[in-house]
Amino acid sequence: DTEVTQTPKHLVMGMTNKKSLKCEQHMGHRAMYWYKQKAKKPPELMFVYSYEKLSINESVPSRFSPECPNSSLLNLHLHALQPEDSALYLCASSPIASGSAYEQYFGPGTRLTVT
Amino acid sequence: AQSVAQPEDQVNVAEGNPLTVKCTYSVSGNPYLFWYVQYPNRGLQFLLKYITGDNLVKGSYGFEAEFNKSQTSFHLKKPSALVSDSALYFCAVRDQVNNNAGNMLTFGGGTRLMVKP
Repeated sequence: DTEVTQTPKHLVMGMTNKKSLKCEQHMGHRAMYWYKQKAKKPPELMFVYSYEKLSINESVPSRFSPECPNSSLLNLHLHALQPEDSALYLCASSPIASGSAYEQYFGPGTRLTVT
Repeated sequence: AQSVAQPEDQVNVAEGNPLTVKCTYSVSGNPYLFWYVQYPNRGLQFLLKYITGDNLVKGSYGFEAEFNKSQTSFHLKKPSALVSDSALYFCAVRDQVNNNAGNMLTFGGGTRLMVKP
């Protein structure tokens, strides 16, 4: 299984709502990532989890809250978002190996619209 | 700091003609280089990577890329383009000296490839 799955595919939420994005992989990868992507732009890294611990937070606002319950799951909890947070949210995973370079496997993304 | 430049926002090519999508990079040490493709409303798909060794790397769907250390380039090529190759292409780099946990990549701005019948 070389697939990263993300749910939901589409999400529309108001600025006062609380919602969560879910990501799952069963490739045994111990690094997982959240990216935000605006139309026709490259992905912007938000968070990196290594061995289920948050290792990198790229100065993301606190209205985005990541969670890694186990080695296969990654969640992104959303609260009090702004319209400018509307974007495609991508999850990715990769093996971890110091001194090597494994490619990241990306999920199909969740298209988020904040109204 | 590491960076990637894709100098062309869009590349147009006729079906059956060869295509090149350009990428240049800047890292403090030796680079790991990647190409990804993204179809509309989809995630990124890995095409190929350069780690070390042969400068010509072959990847998925008939794509290849040539690593040129003196020109700090890693251009993506295909001998004969297909209409179905039309998509958004991203070059990415990771510095070999980056020991952060996880495989942090820096992406270029992307190049839209349009292949016309």
